[in-house]
Amino acid sequence: QKEVEQNSGPLSVPEGAIASLNCTYSDRGSQSFFWYRQYSGKSPELIMFIYSNGDKEDGRFTAQLNKASQYVSLLIRDSQPSDSATYLCAVKGGGFKTIFGAGTRLFVKA
Amino acid sequence: EAQVTQNPRYLITVTGKKLTVTCSQNMNHEYMSWYRQDPGLGLRQIYYSMNVEVTDKGDVPEGYKVSRKEKRNFPLILESPSPNQTSLYFCASSLSKTRLASSTDTQYFGPGTRLTVL
Repeated sequence: QKEVEQNSGPLSVPEGAIASLNCTYSDRGSQSFFWYRQYSGKSPELIMFIYSNGDKEDGRFTAQLNKASQYVSLLIRDSQPSDSATYLCAVKGGGFKTIFGAGTRLFVKA
Repeated sequence: EAQVTQNPRYLITVTGKKLTVTCSQNMNHEYMSWYRQDPGLGLRQIYYSMNVEVTDKGDVPEGYKVSRKEKRNFPLILESPSPNQTSLYFCASSLSKTRLASSTDTQYFGPGTRLTVL
């Protein structure tokens, strides 16, 4: 079992719809959770981080964390073609290591 | 401008020829890390450093060396590169000084180095 798992996609949604990206992790001691966006040929850039159970909203983005279920998700409301990218879930354990998922490719159709 | 820089951006080399990829950050970050990214495998951590002269192995350290003699620099060394080290490499840094959850865990990535070993 991979330590951080994501559906590779591609996930295709129409413009204006809600995109839902999911991530599960295996280490119950994990403390910090991140969503990075990576455009093709570019480096990852942070969208959101979360470390408390529940929802965290930032503009069109909402991160949801459920530590009991070892599950973190990212919702993108009013999806735009410019949101088309690969989304990486990252989990920091109790130490200093950060584990990344393989990423989910998102396509937003105009 | 706050940034992480890597050099070179592109490198084609041959098996066994030692190389170094440099990484530098100007944000006074404590934590620095090297990742490789391969299709379908995502980002895998090679080595990380919590501070000057403090480094530790990530998930895929074999065939790589690192050093942290200065806070701002964290070079990645391939003593004898092999074709299976052909990959896209990213350096990253964060302010993080603690094992506890914190916004300082956010990592800032360099532009990447695309390495091909023939």
